[in-house]
Amino acid sequence: KAGVTQTPRYLIKTRGQQVTLSCSPISGHRSVSWYQQTPGQGLQFLFEYFSETQRNKGNFPGRFSGRQFSNSRSEMNVSTLELGDSALYLCASRAGEQETQYFGPGTRLLVL
Amino acid sequence: AQTVTQSQPEMSVQEAETVTLSCTYDTSESNYYLFWYKQPPSRQMILVIRQEAYKQQNATENRFSVNFQKAAKSFSLKISDSQLGDTAMYFCAFMKPGNQFYFGTGTSLTVIP
Repeated sequence: KAGVTQTPRYLIKTRGQQVTLSCSPISGHRSVSWYQQTPGQGLQFLFEYFSETQRNKGNFPGRFSGRQFSNSRSEMNVSTLELGDSALYLCASRAGEQETQYFGPGTRLLVL
Repeated sequence: AQTVTQSQPEMSVQEAETVTLSCTYDTSESNYYLFWYKQPPSRQMILVIRQEAYKQQNATENRFSVNFQKAAKSFSLKISDSQLGDTAMYFCAFMKPGNQFYFGTGTSLTVIP
């Protein structure tokens, strides 16, 4: 099976812009989670979608939003970008509630 | 919320030696899962090993094994015969079924040739 894929791999934006990141889970996996990784804050959970419904949510402002489509692909949107949003955004998928999470390669976002 | 603590930000080990990474967690749950993930410098996060809390036997995957102490809420990772490719950031994670994963802050391991 193909692994978790994320597009784009690298992105440069300026403050105030918005950005959409995409994640395609492993075939058959219905859950997709998003994480923000920075050197200072480590790995922080954004949200998890399961069968198109947001099931869990981290402590991020409303500028961060996501959705999941019927084919389990997920998108994450960040509006009104700030310099502090520069990070590696990781997506992970799992088949079910008790299953292991598998990560994609990440999207590195740089906000100038 | 659950908390996962990795008290060793950085560690190093000589090639072929054994190293143990520490992890403790705090939970009132009885049914949960624990994981160790590895993130090499290329950034792809990879599963190393998984442990179900209801299993008393410690999980093992080749050179990687865990010491799971449920009462002490401790979950350490032992890497035997360390190899240069083991150089990476290692994350400990906790998961309750149906809930999100909780990650520790990571331990940066360097294998010295």
